[in-house]
Amino acid sequence: ETGVTQTPRHLVMGMTNKKSLKCEQHLGHNAMYWYKQSAKKPLELMFVYNFKEQTENNSVPSRFSPECPNSSHLFLHLHTLQPEDSALYLCASTPGQRVAKNIQYFGAGTRLSVL
Amino acid sequence: AQTVTQSQPEMSVQEAETVTLSCTYDTSESDYYLFWYKQPPSRQMILVIRQEAYKQQNATENRFSVNFQKAAKSFSLKISDSQLGDAAMYFCAYRSTGRNYGGSQGNLIFGKGTKLSVKP
Repeated sequence: ETGVTQTPRHLVMGMTNKKSLKCEQHLGHNAMYWYKQSAKKPLELMFVYNFKEQTENNSVPSRFSPECPNSSHLFLHLHTLQPEDSALYLCASTPGQRVAKNIQYFGAGTRLSVL
Repeated sequence: AQTVTQSQPEMSVQEAETVTLSCTYDTSESDYYLFWYKQPPSRQMILVIRQEAYKQQNATENRFSVNFQKAAKSFSLKISDSQLGDAAMYFCAYRSTGRNYGGSQGNLIFGKGTKLSVKP
């Protein structure tokens, strides 16, 4: 148990649906991250929030919309997704974004399937 | 741009034996951190070991140790006395400290991973 919880564990959605992924951390961290993990590809950083402010958007399509209401919670709102968006979406947190040696604490991810 | 390469998509080891996972990286910077993360079937990725580029001594954590060759830009992970619970995906990762002249602190850069199987 890393202290980072993601829900739901699995999600199947149609291309016209709207759904949200949730991430919560109980570590007192100030930075939170969304990653996309696809088979046979390196983890792709999507978004970074530091003290609730978005500091990174790695050219992510607008059909992915993040929200960080406080330092403990992070959401990823999904709408009109494409089949190629099917992947494992991982959330992570660190004490702060700007310290390189910080260990990233990951959730178990949401396995998303877009039909 | 920095890149991380794991050339072994899959590896297998007999229980109680030793296995080495390879990782190479490309960077023009001198100050950075390297990490090995483990992702078991439960999917929750955890840190295995961390190495600071300025430290010549190889990091060790119990049965896990690294062979850090800075000039060769190589960062291999050795797992001794392999156990069934070591079966997982292993990811090598790089992060700049931002203290390099003209460089900037970037984000964590991952390799594609190596799937390790442990045979009883």
